[in-house]
Amino acid sequence: EAGVTQSPTHLIKTRGQQATLRCSPISGHTSVYWYQQALGLGLQFLLWYDEGEERNRGNFPPRFSGRQFPNYSSELNVNALELEDSALYLCASSLVGYLSHTIYFGEGSWLTVV
Amino acid sequence: AQKVTQAQTEISVVEKEDVTLDCVYETRDTTYYLFWYKQPPSGELVFLIRRNSFDEQNEISGRYSWNFQKSTSSFNFTITASQVVDSAVYFCALSEAGGDGFQKLVFGTGTRLLVSP
Repeated sequence: EAGVTQSPTHLIKTRGQQATLRCSPISGHTSVYWYQQALGLGLQFLLWYDEGEERNRGNFPPRFSGRQFPNYSSELNVNALELEDSALYLCASSLVGYLSHTIYFGEGSWLTVV
Repeated sequence: AQKVTQAQTEISVVEKEDVTLDCVYETRDTTYYLFWYKQPPSGELVFLIRRNSFDEQNEISGRYSWNFQKSTSSFNFTITASQVVDSAVYFCALSEAGGDGFQKLVFGTGTRLLVSP
């Protein structure tokens, strides 16, 4: 069974541009989470999608947005890129957005802003 | 507020040594889950274990073992007879129930384990 898959693996963008990252959850999982892992800042929660809707977001500006599609895949959009957006973006999924289910992560997308 | 502390930033051992990674957590909830994830250089967070707050039994899986003690709010991870392939960053995480069924994962800062031949 395939795990959480993310694309692209690496992405290089120029400051001010937009980046789009994609994620496919484990089959049967309806909840998708996005985390940012920036150097020196650890793993920070970005967004949570469940059943096609944004349910919760972390302490990030509105230029970080995304959506979840009917097949439960998701994309993360980062507008007006800044140098400090350079990070590993990890997508994760779980069966449902409740306490009793394990969250499984993908391999991440490395975003470099130059 | 919930918090996870991994005081060990980096640990270096020689192959076949045993090593323990420490994790201390803070939460006001009575129901919560604790996790350990492994992050190799490739970046993927690999799930290792989940433990709920009502189950204090220690667990062993091959060379890995976990010691959960609510009295000291600790969830330590031991690797027995370490191998070079164990070299990675290990994260401890705490999951609480947020609003609307949201499962909020709070991570520690990670411990980098270097196992040399």
